[in-house]
Amino acid sequence: EDQVTQSPEALRLQEGESSSLNCSYTVSGLRGLFWYRQDPGKGPEFLFTLYSAGEEKEKERLKATLTKKESFLHITAPKPEDSATYLCAVQAGSGYALNFGKGTSLLVTP
Amino acid sequence: DVKVTQSSRYLVKRTGEKVFLECVQDMDHENMFWYRQDPGLGLRLIYFSYDVKMKEKGDIPEGYSVSREKKERFSLILESASTNQTSMYLCASRIRDGQFFGPGTRLTVL
Repeated sequence: EDQVTQSPEALRLQEGESSSLNCSYTVSGLRGLFWYRQDPGKGPEFLFTLYSAGEEKEKERLKATLTKKESFLHITAPKPEDSATYLCAVQAGSGYALNFGKGTSLLVTP
Repeated sequence: DVKVTQSSRYLVKRTGEKVFLECVQDMDHENMFWYRQDPGLGLRLIYFSYDVKMKEKGDIPEGYSVSREKKERFSLILESASTNQTSMYLCASRIRDGQFFGPGTRLTVL
């Protein structure tokens, strides 16, 4: 059975303190790995798609990387506005649906 | 920009009522999805549609049905609402690089 596990469940950082969020997966035939940001009471906001091991993508203070077993979302010098829940999802096999992890809740304090 | 809209942000219904949640996308996407999101359980797929009048069950279809009569509109129906269907409901529309989500409907069943 496909599994997506995110760690840690919650992370508290000081403003400017860089860190990484982890998404490990066990799927057959990975077609894509997706990162989303979700603010309280809102729908997930698409951030990145990664397709193959070794791929990296960046957007402002965020950088996503992918290996054959996991993905990392690196947050460099975070600001309080980066506080949100970050969700990881995978698409595998021939299906259209995404399999989501439970998310990492990030709090960045001034 | 892709736009996915949902008919209500907040909804309060009584047990046994028939409930309709509507989702509209403006990008001519073929694939649309309904998820529910609950604390500690993450996002779980209820149903998806890969074309007009076509639907597939997701992981938790029990107690729900869907309708897709037009490409841009995907409706989720709770035939007889129950308290365990209190949740955040999220609609998504698929693009090549992932899924775009609507703002969500917070449904409370009393």
